[in-house]
Amino acid sequence: DIQMTQSPASLSASLGETVTIQCRASEDIYSGLAWYQQKPGKSPQLLIYGASSLQDGVPSRFSGSGSGTQYSLKISSMQTEDEGVYFCQQGLKYPFTFGSGTKLEIK
Amino acid sequence: EIQLQESGPGLVKPSQSLSLTCSVTGYTITSGYDWSWIRKFPGNKMEWMGYISYSGSTNYNPSLKSRISITRDTSKNQFFLQLNSVTTEDTATYYCARVVIRDVMDAWGQGASVTVSS
Repeated sequence: DIQMTQSPASLSASLGETVTIQCRASEDIYSGLAWYQQKPGKSPQLLIYGASSLQDGVPSRFSGSGSGTQYSLKISSMQTEDEGVYFCQQGLKYPFTFGSGTKLEIK
Repeated sequence: EIQLQESGPGLVKPSQSLSLTCSVTGYTITSGYDWSWIRKFPGNKMEWMGYISYSGSTNYNPSLKSRISITRDTSKNQFFLQLNSVTTEDTATYYCARVVIRDVMDAWGQGASVTVSS
């Protein structure tokens, strides 16, 4: 299975701050990476697919980048509604695998 | 707008079978895409369990070996999860989701919390 290593495990940021979350795959996943946001008591919501494509309806302050084995999610200006847990997921090979999650809070 | 909703028992005894239903509205499951089950364990670990495709073929996570079965009822636009011989380690929140191109999940149910305990 492809292992997804996500960092940091938790993060606190001030309003307006830029936030970056990293995800590293155990092998080249050729941009087959998605990012999800999950708020407490809610289901995960797709933010980014194909490593850098923004899902419809997702604010433009979210962006994804990376290639090969290294990927990142950036929030350009932290808002209160961005609090939650963020996951990466590889879709190149079965079984799909997820990162361990990053809990993002307002400082 | 597509919506998915999980339903089923919230408590299952060890060694028994876990059965969940995913009811889909706003999209016909035979029209396209794959229909997955994913679970989230306490502590945030997520595991993709498997899918049933729009044509009825299935693909399972090898970690679940022969314990898992995903089936469907096209007349009700539902698909199902059965997980056999459960242990306390199967305690999790179970989600159903639609898998679209690029193998990402663009629509999820609200989740069903299942506890395995005697």
